[in-house]
Order: sequence, then C-alpha cells, then structure tokens
Amino acid sequence: SQQGEEDPQALSIQEGENATMNCSYKTSINNLQWYRQNSGRGLVHLILIRSNEREKHSGRLRVTLDTSKKSSSLLITASRAADTASYFCATAVEYGNKLVFGAGTILRVKS
Amino acid sequence: GAGVSQSPRYKVAKRGQDVALRCDPISGHVSLFWYQQALGQGPEFLTYFQNEAQLDKSGLPSDRFFAERPEGSVSTLKIQRTQQEDSAVYLCASRGRTSGTNEQFFGPGTRLTVL
Repeated sequence: SQQGEEDPQALSIQEGENATMNCSYKTSINNLQWYRQNSGRGLVHLILIRSNEREKHSGRLRVTLDTSKKSSSLLITASRAADTASYFCATAVEYGNKLVFGAGTILRVKS
Repeated sequence: GAGVSQSPRYKVAKRGQDVALRCDPISGHVSLFWYQQALGQGPEFLTYFQNEAQLDKSGLPSDRFFAERPEGSVSTLKIQRTQQEDSAVYLCASRGRTSGTNEQFFGPGTRLTVL
C-alpha cells in the first residue's frame, strides 16, 4: 500500500504561474524525495529533503517538510509548459532502502 | 554514461503465459529495485537487490513473481501464469554505493498488458 496522499490530484495553471503540490505520509522517515514523470517515461529525481531539514531549494523548486504534521510541499515557481508532468513524493524509511510513493499530482501548464 | 535500460518496452501476454522483464542498471550501481506502477497510481515497491543478494522481496504480490540478479548486474523479473491484474508498468531503478542522496535512477519501464 502507498505511504500517503498527494493533493491536488490534478492541477492546471498558466505558464508563468507558480504551482504548489502537497504530500502527506504516515510513518517516520529518513528523507523525502520528489520525482517527476513525463507521460510514458520513467521517473526523474528532482530533490531530496532530509528529516532534519525544513526547507530546501533547487533552481525553481522549493520543498518544505513538516515532520510534526507528516507533510511536505513542492513549489515550482515561474512554471513552463515543459513542467507538464506527474509529480510524486516518495519517502525513505531507512537510508538506502525502498521508496514509498504517493499517488501523484498531475500538473498541466498551459502556454 | 548510459542510464538504466529496460526491455522489452512493451509486452502483451495472454493470460496464463509466463513473461520475463529485463533491467540493465547503470554500470557499477550496487543497489537495484523493482517497482510496479498501475495506471494512475504511484509506483509500488516489489523487491530490492544489493549486488546479487535479494535483501527485500516483501512487495512481491504472489509467488508467481520471481526476481533474480545472479551476477550482481542485470536483473530479470519473471511473472508466471500472468493474470489480468498483473497489467502495469514495471519500473527498475538502480542506486550507486556512493550516492549520498539515496537518489534512485529509474529506467523507462516495461508496460505489460495481459489479455
């Protein structure tokens, strides 16, 4: 069974707008990662945040983690049409072991 | 270098047939993972290898599913007597020993359709 839920399930925005996706999980974690999946392709790692971190940035991506609420958010700023994809959060209970994925958010960026 | 490759990319099987899905990880990567992704869902863990040792197979849904990595490199996921509920995308991922981020590198997947 999957770790938790992501919301929204689907998000449609205009190019240039910001997109925010949320993820909740159930158990204690070592780290949380976000992945992107374009239609018909494998997943691409975007960013990892460790359980002792609260916020992390990478380019146009900003991730926050609230371990007390067991939740994370991914913010994509100044979105582009090429950002259209499914986005998944994944938690690692132990370092190096399996990832437990959420159900994903489908993001559509309209140009 | 080359990324993770999987073959075949698409497989159609009649119910009851056996199938074998291949994964070529990134050269030198110690850890290899298999995931199953149903339509509209996130990937779900199947099994994990460290070199040739299968350390976790807790996600394999039934004894019809079998995975091996005999030489610690290429891995094969075998599904015997396929059922319609086995239809999914099967993703393989690998991770290097020195990856400090726990990042897994995914292949493009094999889409299995069982008729």
